[in-house]
Amino acid sequence: KNQVEQSPQSLIILEGKNCTLQCNYTVSPFSNLRWYKQDTGRGPVSLTIMTFSENTKSNGRYTATLDADTKQSSLHITASQLSDSASYICVVSAKSGAAGNKLTFGGGTRVLVKP
Amino acid sequence: GAGVSQTPSNKVTEKGKYVELRCDPISGHTALYWYRQSLGQGPEFLIYFQGTGAADDSGLPNDRFFAVRPEGSVSTLKIQRTERGDSAVYLCASSFNTDGEQYFGPGTRLTVT
Repeated sequence: KNQVEQSPQSLIILEGKNCTLQCNYTVSPFSNLRWYKQDTGRGPVSLTIMTFSENTKSNGRYTATLDADTKQSSLHITASQLSDSASYICVVSAKSGAAGNKLTFGGGTRVLVKP
Repeated sequence: GAGVSQTPSNKVTEKGKYVELRCDPISGHTALYWYRQSLGQGPEFLIYFQGTGAADDSGLPNDRFFAVRPEGSVSTLKIQRTERGDSAVYLCASSFNTDGEQYFGPGTRLTVT
């Protein structure tokens, strides 16, 4: 069964500090991996997307890494801001042919940035 | 519209009632997905449409759940004989084509009392 596991479940950091979120997956056949940011009461918004051949991707203060051999990914947030408070969801896409790009979602890491 | 929209934003219904949730995808997007998100968890796949047809409905939990997309644009998720366990946020996403990035709507929060 395809699974995506994230850690930690939640964390609290002080404004201006850095943090790293982890994602392990067992999705096959692998197509790509995305990190989404989900604000409370909103739908997820894509931050980064990486395919098998990419091992790092940045989007502003967000940097994602991918190790396709160990099936691990991380999302690093640099110089956190209060607006970074949200859930961060790791999403792995499996190639499913005519059935589309089926996504398997992790449970998310809830980040709270405090002043 | 500029993004995926969903209505209503909130729906409270009594156990046993029938509900319909609507999704308006981004104009021109051929693929449409429905997900269900329970509190504190990531979304779970329900059903995927390519055009008017349901290409994959393997995520629907049982036959009380049904979805349609008659004209290949707007989709309606229908839940019969609602149960308290159906309470969740129902998310809709659309993408330009089968392999395209999915853009999510804000979701409909369903509460079954």
